[in-house]
Formats: sequence, structure tokens, C-alpha cells
Amino acid sequence: GAVVSQHPSWVICKSGTSVKIECRSLDFQATTMFWYRQFPKQSLMLMATSNEGSKATYEQGVEKDKFLINHASLTLSTLTVTSAHPEDSSFYICSAILTRLGIQYFGAGTRLSVL
Amino acid sequence: KQEVTQIPAALSVPEGENLVLNCSFTDSAIYNLQWFRQDPGKGLTSLLLIQSSQREQTSGRLNASLDKSSGRSTLYIAASQPGDSATYLCAEEVGFQKLVFGTGTRLLVSP
Repeated sequence: GAVVSQHPSWVICKSGTSVKIECRSLDFQATTMFWYRQFPKQSLMLMATSNEGSKATYEQGVEKDKFLINHASLTLSTLTVTSAHPEDSSFYICSAILTRLGIQYFGAGTRLSVL
Repeated sequence: KQEVTQIPAALSVPEGENLVLNCSFTDSAIYNLQWFRQDPGKGLTSLLLIQSSQREQTSGRLNASLDKSSGRSTLYIAASQPGDSATYLCAEEVGFQKLVFGTGTRLLVSP
């Protein structure tokens, strides 16, 4: 089956620094990828839709200047958390759509801890 | 605003029991309803997808039903096994591949 790889799986950073998370579709091209955030014991919340070659579409309440999304190729989308603060600590999950099947595949997630 | 609620939040059963997980949603104009499994440190695995025109889907020991009029879906797991222990998420698709997830049910099946 299709595989979506997320890197890193876990990152710890100091408050005020920026962190980049990568999401790769390993064996298929994905024009659309999604970024989700999951706080402990809460559901996954869609943050933004990442479209290859165009600007990301952010959900209401998500700061686009804080969560920078780049989808420069058909197999890679990146999420950069800029000037991270402890309240940004969360589990971030990406997904990629295998367009010809209309199926969404999920990465294993990245746990971000901001000290 | 679409909301998806799952009950119970946690469930512990002995191996072999049949069980039902519940999911309710507020938006009846859904494209489809999916059930996922989430294991610690791993991504989501899609279990069943029910199209809005369908009432149920089955895969092995799993059966999912959909009642749009009441805004409810259930996931039935037959003859539960320890390997079924995970968090189960339901999600409604409200736009092109846009999913609204429930809060999940943490299932523990003890040997």
C-alpha cells in the first residue's frame, strides 16, 4: 500500500526556535496533503490544506504566519512551526491523497515538545 | 460548525467479547463516514469507509453502520482480540477529503 513518511517522529526544542516537519509520499505523487494537530485526549484538528505549487489553505483560527507550509514538489510538504512556544507542543500528523484512488494516507505523526 | 462525538471515551473488555463503538455527528450533509484505528506512535489506519448512500460496510470482524437521519454511526467489533487494542476514531468527510474527526475511543482488550 501507499506509504506516507513523516520526519522527525519526535522533536524537542527551546521556546522561540523554529521547527520543520517533513511529510513525504514515498511511492506516489500527491498534489494535496493535509496537516492535522492533535492535543492529548483530543481529536485530530485539520490545520491546513497543502496544495503543490500554490499557497496552503488554512483553517479558521490557524495562524498562517506561525505555521508555514511549503509544498514545493508532488512528494514533499513541510510544516514549519516558527517561534515555537510551549502551547505549540502537540502531535502533528500529515496525510497525502492518492488522487487516482481518492484515498487519504496518513503519516505516523511528529510529537513536538517545546520547552 | 461540524462536530463529531464518540462514546465511550474508553472501553476495557476481556478477549472474545463483542463490542460497539458509537459516533455521532451534527452535519447530515456528509460525503462519507470513515472509521480509523490509531496505534501509539503510528499513523492512522483506515478500517471502513461508508459512502453517504450506504448504510453499512463490513470487513472481517468489523461492521460499521451509518444512519444519516439520526447523525449516528456505530462500529461493531466481533470476538475482540488483544491485538484490537488501540484508539478508534470516526471521521466525517465534509468536503473534498476534508475530515472532521471525533475524539476517539480508547479500547483495551485484555487476554
